Amino acid sequence: DQQVKQNSPSLSVQEGRISILNCDYTNSMFDYFLWYKKYPAEGPTFLISISSIKDKNEDGRFTVFLNKSAKHLSLHIVPSQPGDSAVYFCAASGTSGAGSYQLTFGKGTKLSVIP
Amino acid sequence: KAGVTQTPRYLIKTRGQQVTLSCSPISGHRSVSWYQQTPGQGLQFLFEYFSETQRNKGNFPGRFSGRQFSNSRSEMNVSTLELGDSALYLCASSLIGGGNQPQHFGDGTRLSIL
Repeated sequence: DQQVKQNSPSLSVQEGRISILNCDYTNSMFDYFLWYKKYPAEGPTFLISISSIKDKNEDGRFTVFLNKSAKHLSLHIVPSQPGDSAVYFCAASGTSGAGSYQLTFGKGTKLSVIP
Repeated sequence: KAGVTQTPRYLIKTRGQQVTLSCSPISGHRSVSWYQQTPGQGLQFLFEYFSETQRNKGNFPGRFSGRQFSNSRSEMNVSTLELGDSALYLCASSLIGGGNQPQHFGDGTRLSIL
């Protein structure tokens, strides 16, 4: 049973426009959420995270929004650049107990930014 | 600051053999986690170590084991290799693990089983 779901396997966006990547989770114990970017032949690179006590976190062109009641989070990239083309993974963990020591990942969304 | 280093980058083995993968965390990081990435299952948690102790383990058979040394470096061992073990094995480190801390990943070891 997938506890973290990224329902869009791929997304294409024009350069300069906004990219919105979505993620849903089912486990109510999750209270820390992260986004990673992955290029081929490299490991995932940490982008941005958000704790459940917040509903928004911003870092430069990247903003993550969290809707706890809907168990939904999204990553906004504005403006999108060709170098943003990669696979984006949503991940979640608890912040206490054994569950805080592992990340549960979605299956990823491949973002293509078209010049 | 050096990142997480995994060796070797590529490995080819045959069924029934065993393999050991190595991970050196970011300097100062004491928590090391291992993940398996396959096209079908995505990224799945194997286990996490802190201060040479396994704190959490994912849903993998006992053929998968690991350990951590006093310098925080970690190794992962897979015995009696099966074709389905072909995957990218990723190591991640964080300061103390748990809580609101991101994990930082190495580039992985690509294991192919013939």
